[in-house]
Amino acid sequence: KAGVTQTPRYLIKTRGQQVTLSCSPISGHRSVSWYQQTPGQGLQFLFEYFSETQRNKGNFPGRFSGRQFSNSRSEMNVSTLELGDSALYLCASSFESQETQYFGPGTRLLVL
Amino acid sequence: AQKVTQAQTEISVVEKEDVTLDCVYETRDTTYYLFWYKQPPSGELVFLIRRNSFDEQNEISGRYSWNFQKSTSSFNFTITASQVVDSAVYFCALSGNNAGNMLTFGGGTRLMVKP
Repeated sequence: KAGVTQTPRYLIKTRGQQVTLSCSPISGHRSVSWYQQTPGQGLQFLFEYFSETQRNKGNFPGRFSGRQFSNSRSEMNVSTLELGDSALYLCASSFESQETQYFGPGTRLLVL
Repeated sequence: AQKVTQAQTEISVVEKEDVTLDCVYETRDTTYYLFWYKQPPSGELVFLIRRNSFDEQNEISGRYSWNFQKSTSSFNFTITASQVVDSAVYFCALSGNNAGNMLTFGGGTRLMVKP
């Protein structure tokens, strides 16, 4: 079974731009969660989507948004990028809530 | 509010030594799940173990073992006879019953195993 895939793997943007990251979960998994990892703040939960609905949201500004499609693939969008948005963005999938989440390789975003 | 504390930020051992990574958690949920993940330099988080709050049995998987003690809110991870390939950052995480799929991570412990 293929694992969680994320595209692109690396991204360089400039302040003020917006970015869209994509995540394809493990086949059959319906829950997709997103996390941000930075040296200063560690791993932080962004949001979770299940059956195309946002089920839970972390403490991030409204510039961070996401969506999930009928095939469970998910995208997250960051608008008006700031330098502090430079991070590793990790996507994780699970069949249902509170089951084991399996992580993708991440997208490294650098904002200049 | 949930909190996970990994007091050891960095540990260095010589190959074949045993090493224990500490994890202490706080939650008000009566039902919760604890996890350990490994993050090699490539960045991907690799799942190691999941334990629910009602199962306090210790678990052993090859060179890895986990000690869950509800009385002290700890979920420690021991690697026996460490190997260079064990070098990575290890994260302990908590998911509360009322938090859906939100994982609260500790700050991580960087383990360096020297030959």
